Amino acid sequence: DGGITQSPKYLFRKEGQNVTLSCEQNLNHDAMYWYRQDPGQGLRLIYYSQIVNDFQKGDIAEGYSVSREKKESFPLTVTSAQKNPTAFYLCASMEDGTDQPQHFGDGTRLSIL
Amino acid sequence: GEDVEQSLFLSVREGDSSVINCTYTDSSSTYLYWYKQEPGAGLQLLTYIFSNMDMKQDQRLTVLLNKKDKHLSLRIADTQTGDSAIYFCAETENTGNQFHFGTGTSLTVIP
Repeated sequence: DGGITQSPKYLFRKEGQNVTLSCEQNLNHDAMYWYRQDPGQGLRLIYYSQIVNDFQKGDIAEGYSVSREKKESFPLTVTSAQKNPTAFYLCASMEDGTDQPQHFGDGTRLSIL
Repeated sequence: GEDVEQSLFLSVREGDSSVINCTYTDSSSTYLYWYKQEPGAGLQLLTYIFSNMDMKQDQRLTVLLNKKDKHLSLRIADTQTGDSAIYFCAETENTGNQFHFGTGTSLTVIP
């Protein structure tokens, strides 16, 4: 089955620690996205990538980093510079084109110990 | 920037119709989407409408678009307890590269 896989489902971070969230898709989509979801605030765009080896900052990129070395993979690193990292993180991908929806993974919940 | 707004909460009784509303500010929106999110899960695409359409019906779901007022609604007929979830509207502009999501409406269906 084609889809988007995020791992792990739950992640805990100690103060001052970097953590990396995995996102893999086998849909052969060019574009991939990372969103942060907080209660009552909807989805906020962190980073997105429309092609391998290229990515752009979204609305809340500070304290996060990404890479796009392979088409199917778009890992997100939450660095120690992100002071309030507790949230639900969603990865999405989509085909190129104006009439294509975004498809989502099941999310990773990050908590601070 | 583009704003997409929704009411945060809606409660309905099982068997009634639910209407979830969304307003947006981007006049260049081309496609508008409705997604459903169940607890602890990602977003599932429910339906979408192109900006030159007024209405789209898909089984129990009816989408209405008033482009002049920039108002989108999702009607769920015969609402069931399994419809309890958060519903997000989203719009995308001409390039289709970025989606702008609303805050989400939490629908509670009372048995």
